[in-house]
Amino acid sequence: DAKTTQPTSMDCAEGRAANLPCNHSTISGNEYVYWYRQIHSQGPQYIIHGLKNNETNEMASLIITEDRKSSTLILPHATLRDTAVYYCIVSNAGGTSYGKLTFGQGTILTVHP
Amino acid sequence: DAGVTQSPTHLIKTRGQQVTLRCSPKSGHDTVSWYQQALGQGPQFIFQYYEEEERQRGNFPDRFSGHQFPNYSSELNVNALLLGDSALYLCASSSLTDGNTIYFGEGSWLTVV
Repeated sequence: DAKTTQPTSMDCAEGRAANLPCNHSTISGNEYVYWYRQIHSQGPQYIIHGLKNNETNEMASLIITEDRKSSTLILPHATLRDTAVYYCIVSNAGGTSYGKLTFGQGTILTVHP
Repeated sequence: DAGVTQSPTHLIKTRGQQVTLRCSPKSGHDTVSWYQQALGQGPQFIFQYYEEEERQRGNFPDRFSGHQFPNYSSELNVNALLLGDSALYLCASSSLTDGNTIYFGEGSWLTVV
């Protein structure tokens, strides 16, 4: 699986959009970009995933660049409950590594009042 | 529709003992993966079960073993416990028929004393 690079930490004001970047320059054509978040002592929560098109769901939007070497997770209106560690993961879903996620250190997002 | 459920939520064991952790996947999911998360680290892939067989394995010793039952539920067994096995053990379930989405349970906290 391709490696990802994320900032160690980010801050965001409550009510503003939180834009979390992720670099995955070695991503291959059949690898998906997954985003999870983890609040202290809880299991990782699935947010969104995509292959090459931008995706949106009730939680967030995922913007993937045309060359697929980077992506941005957007939380449109951050709340204090969005404070968590956010993981960007690239995985060969459907291939030999199906279901195996390789977690990095993630980005600690702190939303402040 | 229940998500991924794990039991027990917390347990304490003594060095040298054996432990069994249990996981029920999300309804409709047939693939179960196990992860270990040490304090302050991201989750690390242990192994994955599909059709009652181990399909992939991470870099964990043979003291870590598992099983999947016909109803897709799974167990993780750890023998000869070491202090370093103290961690949050996470179960994740997935299915190719569910859009490659991987869901995690809340985990089992294991403390080895």
